[in-house]
Amino acid sequence: IAGITQAPTSQILAAGRRMTLRCTQDMRHNAMYWYRQDLGLGLRLIHYSNTAGTTGKGEVPDGYSVSRANTDDFPLTLASAVPSQTSVYFCASRTGWSYEQYFGPGTRLTVT
Amino acid sequence: GENVEQHPSTLSVQEGDSAVIKCTYSDSASNYFPWYKQELGKGPQLIIDIRSNVGEKKDQRIAVTLNKTAKHFSLHITETQPEDSAVYFCAAGYGEKLTFGTGTRLTIIP
Repeated sequence: IAGITQAPTSQILAAGRRMTLRCTQDMRHNAMYWYRQDLGLGLRLIHYSNTAGTTGKGEVPDGYSVSRANTDDFPLTLASAVPSQTSVYFCASRTGWSYEQYFGPGTRLTVT
Repeated sequence: GENVEQHPSTLSVQEGDSAVIKCTYSDSASNYFPWYKQELGKGPQLIIDIRSNVGEKKDQRIAVTLNKTAKHFSLHITETQPEDSAVYFCAAGYGEKLTFGTGTRLTIIP
């Protein structure tokens, strides 16, 4: 069982370019999340999805969009990247009967 | 919304001593309080959690205490070992959302 996989591991992106971060889980978890981690700010929720077909906004959603076409995949898209979106991005998932969130290994994104 | 404050931001302890990390939260509706450990280059991993109907929970060398009245909870690590060196995050929440603290970098000095 792989758990949660994220791709790419790292990426350098020019400002203004579009980028999709991929997240896939094989645990059949209902809920999935995207966080960004910045030094001194901890983990901040960008978007979440309680179940396939539904999504919701977190604390810092501006500039990001998500979709949840099926249970396993939860891609995060930056439509037009800006330098302030330089961060480490973590995907997480949770079953419907537990509060515990399982995190992926992260994607380090640098926007220049 | 929920606001979680975590202290200290850095902590160094001698191997074998105890370490304590404290968090406060603002939303009295929060009922779930996990602690995550993050090693360099990896995603956070849950090490212990507590629900609001419990005051204390232990798992070997790790314990968490919760004071609902004061809205604070703490992580206690006893008999610290070099492998305990990492960044630790507290969080508070209910339902599907968690709000994280800003993290504590714990260094165990051999």
